[in-house]
Amino acid sequence: GNSVTQMEGPVTLSEEAFLTINCTYTATGYPSLFWYVQYPGEGLQLLLKATKADDKGSNKGFEATYRKETTSFHLEKGSVQVSDSAVYFCALTLGGTSYGKLTFGQGTILTVHP
Amino acid sequence: DVKVTQSSRYLVKRTGEKVFLECVQDMDHENMFWYRQDPGLGLRLIYFSYDVKMKEKGDIPEGYSVSREKKERFSLILESASTNQTSMYLCASSFGRGTHHFGPGTRLTVT
Repeated sequence: GNSVTQMEGPVTLSEEAFLTINCTYTATGYPSLFWYVQYPGEGLQLLLKATKADDKGSNKGFEATYRKETTSFHLEKGSVQVSDSAVYFCALTLGGTSYGKLTFGQGTILTVHP
Repeated sequence: DVKVTQSSRYLVKRTGEKVFLECVQDMDHENMFWYRQDPGLGLRLIYFSYDVKMKEKGDIPEGYSVSREKKERFSLILESASTNQTSMYLCASSFGRGTHHFGPGTRLTVT
């Protein structure tokens, strides 16, 4: 079956530190890959996505590259801010008759201190 | 902007009660989804619907049912609530295989 594995959290960083959150996947076929973010007290919102191998998604200073050879989609940001404190979810969807349903990783809690 | 609303942010119910969670979207999306979110497990798909009156089971449908009588509304029903259904419930909608748009969630506690 399809699955997504994220690095164990929580992750605690100081402001302006470099962030990496690892994400690997197992899928039958060629998935599209996503990072969603959940700020405290809110629902999830799309952070970035990539739909084919070697695509790079980027938004708000965050980046992730779709690596088919390593089945990975690691999230990176060069300098985190306190406002980036949130839960980050890696997810995939397949084509065909999947209707876009998502398979999520476990989520990684990020806390950024001033 | 797409808006997905859920009927309650917080809900407390007793074991054995029938519970209805309502979700409404305003962008004419054909797909709607119910997920539950638990710490360390991420989000897991309960049911989804790809058209009015059409539904399919997700990964964890046991103990739940759904209803979609109108395109904009997707209801999740707990026929007889149990304590292991205490969780955060998130509704989402999408067009085709596009981006999911999520509601704010309903935190359900079953005592």
